[in-house]
Amino acid sequence: GQSLEQPSEVTAVEGAIVQINCTYQTSGFYGLSWYQQHDGGAPTFLSYNALDGLEETGRFSSFLSRSDSYGYLLLQELQMKDSASYFCAVRDGGQNFVFGPGTRLSVLP
Amino acid sequence: NAGVTQTPKFRVLKTGQSMTLLCAQDMNHEYMYWYRQDPGMGLRLIHYSVGEGTTAKGEVPDGYNVSRLKKQNFLLGLESAAPSQTSVYFCASSKISYEQYFGPGTRLTVT
Repeated sequence: GQSLEQPSEVTAVEGAIVQINCTYQTSGFYGLSWYQQHDGGAPTFLSYNALDGLEETGRFSSFLSRSDSYGYLLLQELQMKDSASYFCAVRDGGQNFVFGPGTRLSVLP
Repeated sequence: NAGVTQTPKFRVLKTGQSMTLLCAQDMNHEYMYWYRQDPGMGLRLIHYSVGEGTTAKGEVPDGYNVSRLKKQNFLLGLESAAPSQTSVYFCASSKISYEQYFGPGTRLTVT
């Protein structure tokens, strides 16, 4: 079966660094994406990894290890506006995307 | 550019009724997708399209049909609504498949 696992909740303070993990078990693998979703809003694309290693985009970085079926999203210099849910997603073949259950990040002042 | 728009934003149906959700994008994207999101959960792919005139099943296609007669539009139909289809429906489009742009969502309640 297809499954992605993420922690359900993470809490951190403003200015801190937080890491959100994602492990996956899918029939195929063509890349790991990360999306952010504020309450009541639509998901927005953050980052993508097709190969092993770290991808950096401003305050956000994403890492992938295909041999471990594992990735993470790293958020630096946390701001209150980063409070949201974060989803990892795997393209497992064709245009079939499987999303994780999401991690709710709360940033405290 | 409006990006991805969805119509309607809210809808309440009775069990057994039918309806069509409309998704439109003005970015000339080839790929379009329909997802559903239940409370506190991730998105699940219903159907997708890789181009005008093409459609394919995703993870949870039962009870839904789709059509892509024009490149910019992707329609999702519910022929006989059931309470289990109460959800928020998101449409997305993409040029590069892993970078999807989502619409604002349609909140559907089936009573």
